[in-house]
Order: sequence, then structure tokens, then C-alpha cells
Amino acid sequence: QVQLQESGPGLVKPSETLSLTCNVSGGSISGHYWSWIRQPPGKGLEWIGYVYYTGTMTTKSNPSLRSRVTISLDASKSQFSLSLRSVTAADTAVYYCARDKSGWPGDVWGQGTTVTVSS
Amino acid sequence: QSALTQPASVSGSPGQSITISCTGSSSDIGNYNLVSWYQQHPGYAPKLMIYEVIKRPSGVSNRFSGSKSANTASLTISGLQPEDEADYYCCSYAGTDIIWVFGGGTKLTVL
Repeated sequence: QVQLQESGPGLVKPSETLSLTCNVSGGSISGHYWSWIRQPPGKGLEWIGYVYYTGTMTTKSNPSLRSRVTISLDASKSQFSLSLRSVTAADTAVYYCARDKSGWPGDVWGQGTTVTVSS
Repeated sequence: QSALTQPASVSGSPGQSITISCTGSSSDIGNYNLVSWYQQHPGYAPKLMIYEVIKRPSGVSNRFSGSKSANTASLTISGLQPEDEADYYCCSYAGTDIIWVFGGGTKLTVL
């Protein structure tokens, strides 16, 4: 059974870059869509973007975040990553990594990691 | 503001049925049969309950059902149980540029 685990700093300063990694275990990272989804405190879910790998990597991201987001994948480590640049307090959220199916996101979810943007 | 509109809250008594609506547009719900629903208990990650409008993943109770009409999708929970109390989110495919859009979430209270 596939399991996902997010890791990264819990505190990031404004204007800096938020970097998170999701470790995939119990299944292949190739041939699946892998998403990042976030949830600000007390608010709803927001899809950030996905990466898809079958030897070559394809990424897509939410237009509202596209200019600041990079999503990548390291198949040799069975990990995928999120980089969000120039963060502000509005980027404070629980960040989830998830495995998608072609017709829906979040077939399997990580437990989430809280990231606070504050000086 | 979320792309999909859900009621902020709904409530029902044990054994009753409730329906949560999710209203989008002809660019998302109305154009694709790719609506999914998620249940989220406080402090936990969301859990997939419905996909492709009407399908249930293995292990999800058949008390949960989905439907769609035009630009509105719905989640119905029958025979409400205390453990159904949670937040529920809808999600729809919105095309090759936007990809996935979520609703703002609905808090279900089992009285």
C-alpha cells in the first residue's frame, strides 16, 4: 500500500522560499500523478500543482501560484518536491502531498505538514 | 473565494439523510464527469469518498452517494451516523490549464 510522508521546515521567513519533499513508499513513483495541495488555517483546500513521471517529467500548477511554484521529482529517491518562492503570511498552511488518479486528485494522501510564514 | 460553491454547514440527526451541494460552472462541473468528494475530520488529511461523480472507492460505505445535474454536483449521506460529522469538500476538473478546483467545504454536524 502506497504511503506518503511530507518533510521540510515548519517555519519560513517572508520573501524566502518554502521547500518541501514528499517521500513515496510501498509503490512505484513512475506512471502516477503526484500533487501538492494546501489548506490555510480554518480554510478550504487549494490544489497547488502536480508532477507526472514516466521517464520524462510533466508538471502543471495552479495559475494563481504558477509564477512562484516549481514541482520536481527524483525517481531514484522515490521523492517529489515543492518549491514556493517569495512567500508571505498568506502561504501559511498545512501542505499535503497526494497521489492522483487521472480522473481525480488525492487518491492517497500524506498526513500533511504545517508551514508557518513569519519573521 | 473558492471556484466551487458549497454551503458552509449542514446538519442532520442520526439515521436521517442529508445532501451537500457543490455549484460550479460550464467550465468545470458542467463540462466534465470528474467530480470527487472528500471527507476530512479535524486534524486529519482528507479522505476520498466519491470519484467520477458517482463511484465509491473500495471500503467507503454505500451510505455515501454522488450525483450531478448541469453545473451542480451533490453528495448524499443516508442513515447518518455520529462518525459522519466532518468537513466535506468537492472537487472538479476544470480543463487543461486550471486542472483541479475545490469547493470551500461544508461542515456536517450530526445532531
